This record gives sequence, structure tokens and C-alpha cells, in this order.
Amino acid sequence: AQSVSQHNHHVILSEAASLELGCNYSYGGTVNLFWYVQYPGQHLQLLLKYFSGDPLVKGIKGFEAEFIKSKFSFNLRKPSVQWSDTAEYFCAVTDLTDKLIFGTGTRLQVFP
Amino acid sequence: DTAVSQTPKYLVTQMGNDKSIKCEQNLGHDTMYWYKQDSKKFLKIMFSYNNKELIINETVPNRFSPKSPDKAHLNLHINSLELGDSAVYFCASSQRSLGDEQYFGPGTRLTVT
Repeated sequence: AQSVSQHNHHVILSEAASLELGCNYSYGGTVNLFWYVQYPGQHLQLLLKYFSGDPLVKGIKGFEAEFIKSKFSFNLRKPSVQWSDTAEYFCAVTDLTDKLIFGTGTRLQVFP
Repeated sequence: DTAVSQTPKYLVTQMGNDKSIKCEQNLGHDTMYWYKQDSKKFLKIMFSYNNKELIINETVPNRFSPKSPDKAHLNLHINSLELGDSAVYFCASSQRSLGDEQYFGPGTRLTVT
């Protein structure tokens, strides 16, 4: 069964620091990959997605992610974080039946 | 112009009660979902409907019964509520079937006392 690992459970950064959140998945077939963000008290919103094509995907709010098939990874990056990026970040991957499997989430705290 | 809406936003009830959560999407999507987010923020799919037909039914107690009167609505009814049912329940929808980008509702925080 597909599983998704997010290694960083809690990340604390100062504003303007660079961010990289790890995401690895287990199923090696064709997958769709997503990063969702959940701001405090709000619902999940899509940051970016990868279905096919250029493995470097750009999303909203300056986020990007790189799909590396050989490493089964889809890490999220942002060159300079802001206080407003404080949120929970979820990586999600489709499984063999196209069901969406979520990682356990990474809590990002950005201090001014 | 809310895309995916859920009611109620908060629900506090006692053990043993029966309650329902409603979800509506105005995006014209064919597929709708229910997810449960536990206290550790872990999100797990419970059910999925495509054009009113059940396509995913995860290992969920049969006290949970989804109902889709039409493709824009997916309601969740829970019988005999237990303490462990306390969680945030999210409804979502996607344009076609599984694998598409999903749009989430605001969530319903259920507290069972």
C-alpha cells in the first residue's frame, strides 16, 4: 500500500530563511503528487501539484517542489519564508487506486 | 461564492447521540469525499462518491453512513457517537474521479463528551 513520509514534524524558522520540507512516498508507479497547506483554523488549500512534465513545479505564494522519481521524493521549497507562511503542510500522493494518501504533516512556525 | 461548504462548523454532543454533517459543493464536480483529521492532524479518507455512487469505503465503523442525494451533496450521518469520534471532518470534491486535485471544505469540529 502507498505510504507517504514527511520527515520534518516541526520546523521553526526566522523570516527570510530558506525552507525545504521533505516528502517521500513508497509506490513506484505513476503517481500524482500534491502539497496542501492548512493555515491555523482553516481548511486545506492546494499549494501545487505534479501530474506529469517538468519535474520542477511552481505553486502559489512562491512555493515550488521538485519531483525526483529515482528518490521517490517530492520536496517542497521556498527561498525566503514569511511570518504568514506559519501553517501545517501536507504532502499527498495518489496510490494504485488513485486514492489520495496524506503524509502526517509538517508544522512550520516562522518568527519575525 | 463558497466552493465547498459544510455545516455545522462546530458540533458538541454527548456519547450515544446521532448526528449529521452536511456538505455541498457548487463547483460542478463529479466526486466528493469525507476525510477525518485526528488530534495529531493526520488526515485519512473515509468515503468517496462519484455521481452519487459509493466508490471508496475505507475501514470505517458502520455507525458512519454517507448519503449523496445528488452529486453536489454528500452528507455524513453518525450513529451512537463515541469519544473516539472526536475529530475534524473535512468534505472535499474533485472534478472527475480520484487522482484529481481536491477542493476542501472548512471542516466540522466534532467533540463528543
